[in-house]
Amino acid sequence: GAVVSQHPSRVICKSGTSVKIECRSLDFQATTMFWYRQFPKKSLMLMATSNEGSKATYEQGVEKDKFLINHASLTLSTLTVTSAHPEDSSFYICSAARDSHTDTQYFGPGTRLTVL
Amino acid sequence: AQTVTQSQPEMSVQEAETVTLSCTYDTSESDYYLFWYKQPPSRQMILVIRQEAYKQQNATENRFSVNFQKAAKSFSLKISDSQLGDAAMYFCAYVEYGGATNKLIFGTGTLLAVQP
Repeated sequence: GAVVSQHPSRVICKSGTSVKIECRSLDFQATTMFWYRQFPKKSLMLMATSNEGSKATYEQGVEKDKFLINHASLTLSTLTVTSAHPEDSSFYICSAARDSHTDTQYFGPGTRLTVL
Repeated sequence: AQTVTQSQPEMSVQEAETVTLSCTYDTSESDYYLFWYKQPPSRQMILVIRQEAYKQQNATENRFSVNFQKAAKSFSLKISDSQLGDAAMYFCAYVEYGGATNKLIFGTGTLLAVQP
């Protein structure tokens, strides 16, 4: 149980385009989902926290207009990188928790974004 | 602010031997959870073990065990009978229990190599 999927697993796009990444909890309802960014050989950096039906809470320094997060259902959250630029190239990981007070997060397999 | 420190960027162990990965953290809270996550080359984050701060007994999961020293704010991971599949990046993480949203704070990671 507690499986989280991400789609796509990797995406290459041109500079200036927008890219949407989906995060789904497959066998449980996730009230809270998290989006992380990971640079090569570095730790995970939390970008934002989203609760189903509410606006996402962004970490300091993360542009909310750049990284649009939608958590429309208890099993799906999406991250849209708008007007992507090469510096947005990174590995993006989502995680899901049953609720905001649950301690355990279940992670998706990640999405490799490359912006040309 | 809570911080998590992993002082060993890289470690190496012989197959079948035991290795200990260190982690210290800083918090003023009394209730919290600690985790060790494993990230193999596939980059899928895998929960290895979790510890609740109010429990004095050290958590154990098969070959993985922790040495939790609450007063010293230390949370080391011991891997016994190391296997080739244990080779991965290991992240220590802290989450504050009972806050508005439980956010994971990760250490910088320890890259473990297992020598055959």
